[in-house]
Amino acid sequence: EVQLVQSGAEVKKPGESLKISCKGSGYSFTSYWIGWVRQMPGKGLEWMGIIYPGDSDTRYSPSFQGQVTISADKSISTAYLQWSSLKASDTAMYYCARVNSNYGMDVWGQGTTVTVSS
Amino acid sequence: SYELTQPPSVSVSPGQTARITCSADALPKQYAYWYQQKPGQAPVLVIYKDSERPSGIPERFSGSSSGTTVTLTISGVQAEDEADYYCQSADSSGTYVFGTGTKVTVL
Repeated sequence: EVQLVQSGAEVKKPGESLKISCKGSGYSFTSYWIGWVRQMPGKGLEWMGIIYPGDSDTRYSPSFQGQVTISADKSISTAYLQWSSLKASDTAMYYCARVNSNYGMDVWGQGTTVTVSS
Repeated sequence: SYELTQPPSVSVSPGQTARITCSADALPKQYAYWYQQKPGQAPVLVIYKDSERPSGIPERFSGSSSGTTVTLTISGVQAEDEADYYCQSADSSGTYVFGTGTKVTVL
C-alpha cells in the first residue's frame, strides 16, 4: 500500500525550532516529488513547496521562501519541514503529499498539527 | 501573484447537481486538479488534469475546462459529498497554487 506517514502533533513555544517528518512507503520514494501544504485553523490550503528526494531539488512558494526549510533523506524515505524560530502564526495543520506528474497530489499524509504558544 | 478564485459556498439538495467554478486571473492556465476535504481529514484527489477521474472516485464527479475557468460538477449529489473542495493549478513559473476553497452543503 502506498502511504505517507507523518510525525505526531507538536506543541512549541515562540522562538523554538522544529522539524516534522513525512515517511513514504509502498513506492519508489526517489521517483516522485513530495509537497508540503499548510492549513491554518478554519482556513484553506496553502502550497508551501516541494522537494524531489532523488536529487533534493527544492522549490518554495514565494510566500514561504526563507520562512521554512524543506529537506529529504532518501536513505530512509523521509521528507522534512523545519523551522528555525517558530512564531504563533505558524500554528496550523501541515500536510505532506506525493506529487505525481500525471495525477497531481495523489497520496496525502494524515497531517501534523503544530501549535505555537507561550 | 497567480490566484484561483472559487465561490465560498454552494448549497444543493440531494440528487441535484452541484457546480463549483475555479477562475484563474491570468493566462496561460495549466492543468487543474480538484481535492475534496471532509472535516478532520486530509484532502483527497477527485479530479486530475482538468477532467480525469482517479480510480475509486464515483462517476458523479466530473471536471471541465473553458478558457481560464475550470468547473467541478457533482451530479446526483449525496449527503456524503458535503465537504470543502479546492482547485489547484500552477503559474507560468511552475509555482503551485490552491484555489480559495468552496464549502458544499447538502440541504
